[in-house]
Amino acid sequence: SQTIHQWPATLVQPVGSPLSLECTVEGTSNPNLYWYRQAAGRGLQLLFYSIGIDQISSEVPQNLSASRPQDRQFILSSKKLLLSDSGFYLCAWSLVKSPLHFGNGTRLTVT
Amino acid sequence: SQQGEEDPQALSIQEGENATMNCSYKTSINNLQWYRQNSGRGLVHLILIRSNEREKHSGRLRVTLDTSKKSSSLLITASRAADTASYFCATDGVTSGSRLTFGEGTQLTVNP
Repeated sequence: SQTIHQWPATLVQPVGSPLSLECTVEGTSNPNLYWYRQAAGRGLQLLFYSIGIDQISSEVPQNLSASRPQDRQFILSSKKLLLSDSGFYLCAWSLVKSPLHFGNGTRLTVT
Repeated sequence: SQQGEEDPQALSIQEGENATMNCSYKTSINNLQWYRQNSGRGLVHLILIRSNEREKHSGRLRVTLDTSKKSSSLLITASRAADTASYFCATDGVTSGSRLTFGEGTQLTVNP
């Protein structure tokens, strides 16, 4: 069966520090991969999605970037975090036209 | 802007009662999906209804879709305390490729 791993679960980082969140999927090939951000008590904002290695689309211009070095690995990065980057980050995968499967999320607090 | 908007924002009911949540959207869709999120966790897919379907059932869940009104409803029958969670609708727009757009969610509290 397919599983998705996302880490770390929580992270506290100072303003201006770098960020690297990692997500891996097991049990499927060539999945679509997504990074979402969720503000407290709000819906999900799509940040990046990828339909294949090195094929990444950005939905929101900001100081975040994403990479997909391997078929089932998706990384969210930042060179310098802002206070506004705080939030709950969710990685997800899907097959074409199929429901999303989410990881357990990373709670990021930028201080 | 958000494609889906849920109503109400919060709903509190007693165990055994039915819970109804509504979702409205703005553009043509391929399908509409409902997800559940327990506090501090990832979302879990509940049910998908395609644009050519009007009603779908899964256990205690019943989803309806009215494409003429661009709206959907999720009914949870005989609610349980374990149903307490946030519920989100998400639309797969005709022009959005594989990208789902989520609403703001309904926070459901089921009191024992």
